Amino acid sequence: KAGVTQTPRYLIKTRGQQVTLSCSPISGHRSVSWYQQTPGQGLQFLFEYFSETQRNKGNFPGRFSGRQFSNSRSEMNVSTLELGDSALYLCASSLTGGDNTGNTIYFGEGSWLTVV
Amino acid sequence: GDSVTQMEGPVTLSEEAFLTINCTYTATGYPSLFWYVQYPGEGLQLLLKATKADDKGSNKGFEATYRKETTSFHLEKGSVQVSDSAVYFCALHSGGYQKVTFGIGTKLQVIP
Repeated sequence: KAGVTQTPRYLIKTRGQQVTLSCSPISGHRSVSWYQQTPGQGLQFLFEYFSETQRNKGNFPGRFSGRQFSNSRSEMNVSTLELGDSALYLCASSLTGGDNTGNTIYFGEGSWLTVV
Repeated sequence: GDSVTQMEGPVTLSEEAFLTINCTYTATGYPSLFWYVQYPGEGLQLLLKATKADDKGSNKGFEATYRKETTSFHLEKGSVQVSDSAVYFCALHSGGYQKVTFGIGTKLQVIP
């Protein structure tokens, strides 16, 4: 079956602009989470959505936001881009999000964002 | 809060050498533990996982055993190949939410 799909794969934005990234989870998965990966900070949790509701949020400023649609697809938005927002943004999906044996979390290939 | 500690590397090994990457964790409750691998320019791939104490996860010759008494989940492989060159992340997941806590990642370089 198809994996987690993220679009676009690569993009370049100018400081001050805003960007929207998209994530299509594996079919049947209802939980989607987002992570930011940078060389200095590693992999950091942004937020998680389940059934269109944000269940958990990491320690990021309000410029970072997200949403989930009824088909479980998710988008994240970053407004007023800063140079430090340059990163690989990873999306992950699972059936329910919870920590149990049958609930494996799968990651997408990521969206590479460069802010200039 | 939850945390994962692993050696940062880089680790450089000759082909067919034995690999160990140490990982220890701090968590409330009983988390599931994972090793993810990231090849250059790619996303994260699940390498193996263990969901309870004494479980051994294994895949592609890699193994790791969930040790609750030492809060560890060390990754091992008996004979590495050049194609194993990548960054390896130890991670944990606990609770009812899809929030994974990652280690810093260990870069492995295998030379012929």
